[in-house]
Amino acid sequence: KQEVTQIPAALSVPEGENLVLNCSFTDSAIYNLQWFRQDPGKGLTSLLLIQSSQREQTSGRLNASLDKSSGRSTLYIAASQPGDSATYLCASIRWAAGNKLTFGGGTRVLVKP
Amino acid sequence: DVKVTQSSRYLVKRTGEKVFLECVQDMDHENMFWYRQDPGLGLRLIYFSYDVKMKEKGDIPEGYSVSREKKERFSLILESASTNQTSMYLCASTRLRDRGWGYTFGSGTRLTVV
Repeated sequence: KQEVTQIPAALSVPEGENLVLNCSFTDSAIYNLQWFRQDPGKGLTSLLLIQSSQREQTSGRLNASLDKSSGRSTLYIAASQPGDSATYLCASIRWAAGNKLTFGGGTRVLVKP
Repeated sequence: DVKVTQSSRYLVKRTGEKVFLECVQDMDHENMFWYRQDPGLGLRLIYFSYDVKMKEKGDIPEGYSVSREKKERFSLILESASTNQTSMYLCASTRLRDRGWGYTFGSGTRLTVV
């Protein structure tokens, strides 16, 4: 059974510092890996999707890497801003059983002005 | 802009009521999902559907049922609401086989059962 872990559970940084969020998974036979952002009381917003054949994806200040052999993905957020404060979730997608997502527990980020 | 729309942001229902949570997507996705999210427990899959009239149990289906009569609409039904079903409910959709697409989530429904 796939298990996804995110460490740390919470992170506080001063504005302008780069953020590094870690995600590890136990089963390397993943289809895709997706990073989401969730603001308090809101739904999930997709940030980046990395297909299993890719090693990284970039969007603006965000960059996500994927290393299937070690079972790890990392989300980098450059030059953090207070508006980046949110919970970040990673999820693995496996082909078996209808592309079900397996979520990590999330990392709650606070960027202090 | 592609969307998953959940009909209600907030709902308050009484114990024993039958509750319907509605979800509509405009992306022609085959797969649709219902999750609930609780502090300390994360997101848990309740039910999912591969296609019209198809449904599969997720990890916590007890006390819930679903309906998918049309491809774009997936409804979650609480047959007799209980206080332990107070939660944030999230609907999502995705294509069946396209690797380039991930999941799209709705904005969530915060259900309180009193």
